[in-house]
Amino acid sequence: EVQLLDSGGGFVQPGGSLRLSCAASGFPFNNNAMSWVRQAPGKGPEWVSTIGGSGSSVFYADSVKGRFTISRDNSKNTVYLQMNSLRAEDTALYYCARNRGSGSYYNYCFDTWGQGTLATVST
Amino acid sequence: QSVLTQPPSVSGAPGQRVTISCTGSSSNIGAGYDVHWYRQLPGTAPKLLIYGNTNRPSGVPDRFSGSKSGTSASLAITGLQAEDEADYHCQSYDSSLSGYVFGTGTKVTVL
Repeated sequence: EVQLLDSGGGFVQPGGSLRLSCAASGFPFNNNAMSWVRQAPGKGPEWVSTIGGSGSSVFYADSVKGRFTISRDNSKNTVYLQMNSLRAEDTALYYCARNRGSGSYYNYCFDTWGQGTLATVST
Repeated sequence: QSVLTQPPSVSGAPGQRVTISCTGSSSNIGAGYDVHWYRQLPGTAPKLLIYGNTNRPSGVPDRFSGSKSGTSASLAITGLQAEDEADYHCQSYDSSLSGYVFGTGTKVTVL
């Protein structure tokens, strides 16, 4: 069974940092791009970042570029999201998601999601 | 604010057919990028419902169908059931934003 287990969320003050982790199982991890998608309370999902299967290609939403870093350890089947300089507007449930698609990454969807981990940025 | 616009809500009686629209522009749906649909039950993660405009993942009933034309896409649910009450989100890629985008979301209510 394909599973994604998100962790690492918590409460942090503005300007602080958090590191999210996503442990994957049930599929050949290094064959898939992986993403982080967040959802603020009462809002729709918002794509945050994507990393290719080998880790050499990374993409970020403008809202987090320069502050967040996505990485992966294929030996541990784990993807990470380092979040620095956090702002109140970063408060959200963060989901790890597996990308699915053939050909161009433009057409990827998110076919499996973790349960989410909550990051709260507040004084 | 999302670049993909969906109606905030749609409703129908059990057994009826409802459709949800997803309206984009020339930098996303109109540029030929695929549209995908997700269903989200309260307190749970989104679940993939339709991928590549018209394809259903294994396990998704054929009551759900997707279509795409021009700068818009649609999700149709036939034989509406109580369990279909949820939020539905479309998703595509936007070349102006250089990233994936989600729709504004639609809440389906079964009367």
